[in-house]
Amino acid sequence: GENVEQHPSTLSVQEGDSAVIKCTYSDSASNYFPWYKQELGKGPQLIIDIRSNVGEKKDQRIAVTLNKTAKHFSLHITETQPEDSAVYFCAASYGGYQKVTFGTGTKLQVIP
Amino acid sequence: GAVVSQHPSWVICKSGTSVKIECRSLDFQATTMFWYRQFPKQSLMLMATSNEGSKATYEQGVEKDKFLINHASLTLSTLTVTSAHPEDSSFYICSAPNGESTEAFFGQGTRLTVV
Repeated sequence: GENVEQHPSTLSVQEGDSAVIKCTYSDSASNYFPWYKQELGKGPQLIIDIRSNVGEKKDQRIAVTLNKTAKHFSLHITETQPEDSAVYFCAASYGGYQKVTFGTGTKLQVIP
Repeated sequence: GAVVSQHPSWVICKSGTSVKIECRSLDFQATTMFWYRQFPKQSLMLMATSNEGSKATYEQGVEKDKFLINHASLTLSTLTVTSAHPEDSSFYICSAPNGESTEAFFGQGTRLTVV
């Protein structure tokens, strides 16, 4: 089955700086890569996703890149704000009904 | 976006009792729903796939007789933890894909504490 690794497990940045989280996946058949933000005591919330036919996608301060050959994908958050502090999960899946395999999570702390 | 609601948000039960958690898709129909379990400071692990009108599909290592799943309608799936024990204490989260998109929407989770 699919295996998703995520690094780093914790990340502290100063407000205004950028944060980068990296993931690798094992199943070359995976074609959908969502990123989720999870706040304490809540369910995951989709923040951005990318499909295997696209190399990069951006939404305001958030961007995701995908390298299919290397099976790497990354989340980039620019101009970080304290409210960006949360746990972020990458995920990978194949198929139309979104049975996703999650990465191990990154706890991001943005220091004011 | 589409909304998935879980109930209850948290529950405390005594060891040996059963607990039912509901997952509802509020504004769309979901023939498939997914149940995840998340232990503290860990990732979400898929437990089972709930299929409307048919039996659930369980992941390896998940006891189907302990975690009963019923997907009785296109908007409701239930997870019943039977004979709960302290080691079942966890955060249970459901998700449902909206057929009109490939995105899966997650519920807010249910914190189960077995004492």
